[in-house]
Amino acid sequence: AQSVTQLDSQVPVFEEAPVELRCNYSSSVSVYLFWYVQYPNQGLQLLLKYLSGSTLVKGINGFEAEFNKSQTSFHLRKPSVHISDTAEYFCAVSEVDTNAGKSTFGDGTTLTVKP
Amino acid sequence: EAGVAQSPRYKIIEKRQSVAFWCNPISGHATLYWYQQILGQGPKLLIQFQNNGVVDDSQLPKDRFSAERLKGVDSTLKIQPAKLEDSAVYLCASALRDTPYGYTFGSGTRLTVV
Repeated sequence: AQSVTQLDSQVPVFEEAPVELRCNYSSSVSVYLFWYVQYPNQGLQLLLKYLSGSTLVKGINGFEAEFNKSQTSFHLRKPSVHISDTAEYFCAVSEVDTNAGKSTFGDGTTLTVKP
Repeated sequence: EAGVAQSPRYKIIEKRQSVAFWCNPISGHATLYWYQQILGQGPKLLIQFQNNGVVDDSQLPKDRFSAERLKGVDSTLKIQPAKLEDSAVYLCASALRDTPYGYTFGSGTRLTVV
């Protein structure tokens, strides 16, 4: 079975500063990886996904993430954040070639962007 | 395209009462999921449907929770009787097929059991 650990529960950062949200996963098989964003009182929205190929994945709103198989990590980065990026961010993993589609989520990282 | 619709948005009930949630997925999406998101935690899968068949309900507390997806479209999730620990946001998500290209989530139903 797979699991996800988001290493920081809260990340405060000033506007226009860079940010990294850390995610580590555990699985005995190959995986697909995802980052979702959740704004207050809304559902989750897919930011980006890694399925195969290039380990650097670009998503919406200027976010990118890098898949590191040896370190079993999938950290999310943005070079310059805006106030509007304040939200909850979830990392998720799905195992390849098993119960296709089922994702396991981390417990989230609250990103707070301060002016 | 229209998103995943869920209703109601909010529900407050007393413990031991019953409650039902409704989800209408994106048209053509064969796979539908119900997730439970307790405050401060990530979503936890309750049940996965492929068309109108259950693919995975291993984490569904079957003594009190039930779900169905008639005609492979809309789905309802029911809790009977509710417990205090069922207070959570119940999220419905759909996907075009059972390959994990990412879900589209609804806005969720926030349940408070008092």
